[in-house]
Amino acid sequence: GQNIDQPTEMTATEGAIVQINCTYQTSGFNGLFWYQQHAGEAPTFLSYNVLDGLEEKGRFSSFLSRSKGYSYLLLKELQMKDSASYLCGANNLFFGTGTRLTVIP
Amino acid sequence: GAVVSQHPSWVICKSGTSVKIECRSLDFQATTMFWYRQFPKQSLMLMATSNEGSKATYEQGVEKDKFLINHASLTLSTLTVTSAHPEDSSFYICSATKGQGGRSPLHFGNGTRLTVT
Repeated sequence: GQNIDQPTEMTATEGAIVQINCTYQTSGFNGLFWYQQHAGEAPTFLSYNVLDGLEEKGRFSSFLSRSKGYSYLLLKELQMKDSASYLCGANNLFFGTGTRLTVIP
Repeated sequence: GAVVSQHPSWVICKSGTSVKIECRSLDFQATTMFWYRQFPKQSLMLMATSNEGSKATYEQGVEKDKFLINHASLTLSTLTVTSAHPEDSSFYICSATKGQGGRSPLHFGNGTRLTVT
């Protein structure tokens, strides 16, 4: 079956680093995607992993371990505008419930 | 860039009426578009996959006769909520991808907030 788990909420301090974890189970695997969604808006693409390892894009990095069915999104130098929900999606078809990140001063 | 336009951004309708939502890829051709529903503080729930020139593939539990999907061209897909009821009130989002096979990023429309009174 298909299942994706990620924490519901996280809080972090401005300027800090936060890691959002995601575990997944899918039948067939074409990639793991991370999207950012601000309240009331549509999601926007952040990163994509199809091979094991770390993908870095500026302040955002994403890691994948296919054998463990595990990924994480790493956000560095947190800014207040990073307060949003972060969605983990497998094969771009199944999404987790999203992790609501609150950045505090 | 890859821009997906969704219209309307919000709509209020009376129970029993139908509502059509449009999703357009403005600067690329999208052979596949996806429709989602999102309830407050919940994740995106895939409703159906829309393929140009063929019938949409609906996810389990989604009534195809209630949520009519038409993908008439490579840049336009429409979702019609027929005989809407208050429980259909939700945030509906479409997305499109340039590639296939689930390896290309999704480009989302801005969503349509539907309120059925």
